[in-house]
Amino acid sequence: DAGVTQSPTHLIKTRGQHVTLRCSPISGHKSVSWYQQVLGQGPQFIFQYYEKEERGRGNFPDRFSARQFPNYSSELNVNALLLGDSALYLCASSSPTANYGYTFGSGTRLTVV
Amino acid sequence: AQSVTQPDIHITVSEGASLELRCNYSYGATPYLFWYVQSPGQGLQLLLKYFSGDTLVQGIKGFEAEFKRSQSSFNLRKPSVHWSDAAEYFCAVGALSGNTGKLIFGQGTTLQVKP
Repeated sequence: DAGVTQSPTHLIKTRGQHVTLRCSPISGHKSVSWYQQVLGQGPQFIFQYYEKEERGRGNFPDRFSARQFPNYSSELNVNALLLGDSALYLCASSSPTANYGYTFGSGTRLTVV
Repeated sequence: AQSVTQPDIHITVSEGASLELRCNYSYGATPYLFWYVQSPGQGLQLLLKYFSGDTLVQGIKGFEAEFKRSQSSFNLRKPSVHWSDAAEYFCAVGALSGNTGKLIFGQGTTLQVKP
């Protein structure tokens, strides 16, 4: 079975631009979470979605938004990019039947210049 | 406030030596506890998790962790370290209710293994 897949793996954007990151969960997982990992730090929670509804939001500005689609894949959108948004963005999927073993993708490395 | 503290930013051990990575948490509810490992440029791989029951949890790659409620700790151990264990290790705590929940991560411990 495929794991959590994220695209793209790397991208470079200019300050002020917007970006869309994509995530496909493990088949059968209905919950997707997004995390931001700045270099040298642990991941920080951004959003969780379950059955297309937002179930949790971390302490991030409104420039960050997300959504989940009927096939449970998800997008994370960031508007008006700042240099400080440069980070590894991780997606995780989980399922109660998987006993909440959150499975992470390999991430998208975003560099803002 | 909910938080996770990993007191050791960097640890170096010799190959074959034992390892213990410390994790302390602050959490109001019954915690769910996790250890993840991250190789450079990669995502996070789950080593083990604790939800309830036996406080000594076995994970993958020969790792184990012990939950001590009185000390608010969940330390990770391995009896004999291999060179391939060199990586970043993250402890995380979360509360999972129904289909919601988020993880709070520590800052991580970088493990270096000497030959």
